Order: sequence, then structure tokens, then C-alpha cells
Amino acid sequence: ETGVTQTPRHLVMGMTNKKSLKCEQHLGHNAMYWYKQSAKKPLELMFVYSLEERVENNSVPSRFSPECPNSSHLFLHLHTLQPEDSALYLCASSQDPTGGNGELFFGEGSRLTVL
Amino acid sequence: GQQVMQIPQYQHVQEGEDFTTYCNSSTTLSNIQWYKQRPGGHPVFLIQLVKSGEVKKQKRLTFQFGEAKKNSSLHITATQTTDVGTYFCCSSSNTGKLIFGQGTTLQVKP
Repeated sequence: ETGVTQTPRHLVMGMTNKKSLKCEQHLGHNAMYWYKQSAKKPLELMFVYSLEERVENNSVPSRFSPECPNSSHLFLHLHTLQPEDSALYLCASSQDPTGGNGELFFGEGSRLTVL
Repeated sequence: GQQVMQIPQYQHVQEGEDFTTYCNSSTTLSNIQWYKQRPGGHPVFLIQLVKSGEVKKQKRLTFQFGEAKKNSSLHITATQTTDVGTYFCCSSSNTGKLIFGQGTTLQVKP
């Protein structure tokens, strides 16, 4: 139990589907993140929310749409994805709202397969 | 953009041998963090180093931050099969966000 819960753990979707990934943190942290982890690539930062405001959008295609309704919840809405978007999507949170210091607490990830 | 380079990418060792992974940057780092990801798992924080030349130990793991704050290393003494996984370094980018190295995947043969 990491204090960061992600659902679903596994998702298979077609390129025309619309789905969402959900993340919830129970740690009282101020910042939440989406990372993408593909095979043989470093963890890629996608989005950062600090105090519920998006502070980083790392040149992510518009087919990925984040939403942070409150400091405990983070969503990643997916639509018209491509097969190369298949990856492990990791949510993380941290106490530091700037995201530059302090430990990242990761969820167990959502394994996405796009057919 | 700022990058953190990590070597080697893979390392296979016999149980009981030592292991070291290195993290290098062309720019001065404000801090460095290390994470471990077990196969099929998620990254878990190990430690953060902040000071120039800092050395920290956790049982068989020794973490170092270079004097110039441009490199770091993680050394494991007498590896065990429980050490298997991918070790990532990461540091704050010049925009203040955490950037990860490519990771070193450690395999330990019993």
C-alpha cells in the first residue's frame, strides 16, 4: 500500500475508444503527476498539478487530457490513442508543491494496451 | 533540455558480487534522488542527496553525490537476489521538475 491508488490496473482499448485513468492519493500531498513508462525508455513526465493547478504540460499530445478536480484526485482522459501510446502510466504525488524536492510516491500504475 | 545520463543500462552479477550504477549530468544538480523498481512493480524512493560530496548508507547500499554536484553513484555491496530490479536516479530540471535517468536494470544470479 503506497498511499497512491490507481485504477484500472490494466486497460485494453481500441484506437477509437474513450477511457479514463484514475489516481487517488491519501497522503495529503500538494502535487500530483502523470508519468509514462515505455519499454527501454526513461520515465517521461507528462503532467504536473500543484495545488490543483496544472503547472507542467510536457509537450503531450492532445489525445491525453488531464483533470485534477481536487488535491486528492487526478484523472487522465484518453481518446483516439495510437498503438505507440501503449505503456505503463504511473501516477505520483509529493508534498512539495513545486515538485522539485522531496520524495515522489508512485501508484502501482495502469498498464495500457492500445490495439 | 537538461538530461541525466545513467550507466550501465544493464548489469548481470553473481550473487555476492558488488554492483555500481552511475548518474551523470552536464549541469550542476540541486539534488539527486534514487528510486528502485522491482520487476512488475512501481518506483520506490530510496534516498535524496543534497550536499556536495555527500555520502549516505542504507545497509549494503552506499549513495554518493559528487563534489561538483554533477554526478552520483549507487553502490551495492554483496548483492542478493532481493536486489533485482531497475535503479533510477533523478534530479530537478532547470524548471524545477524531476527528470529521471534511463535506469540500470540489475540481474542477480543465485
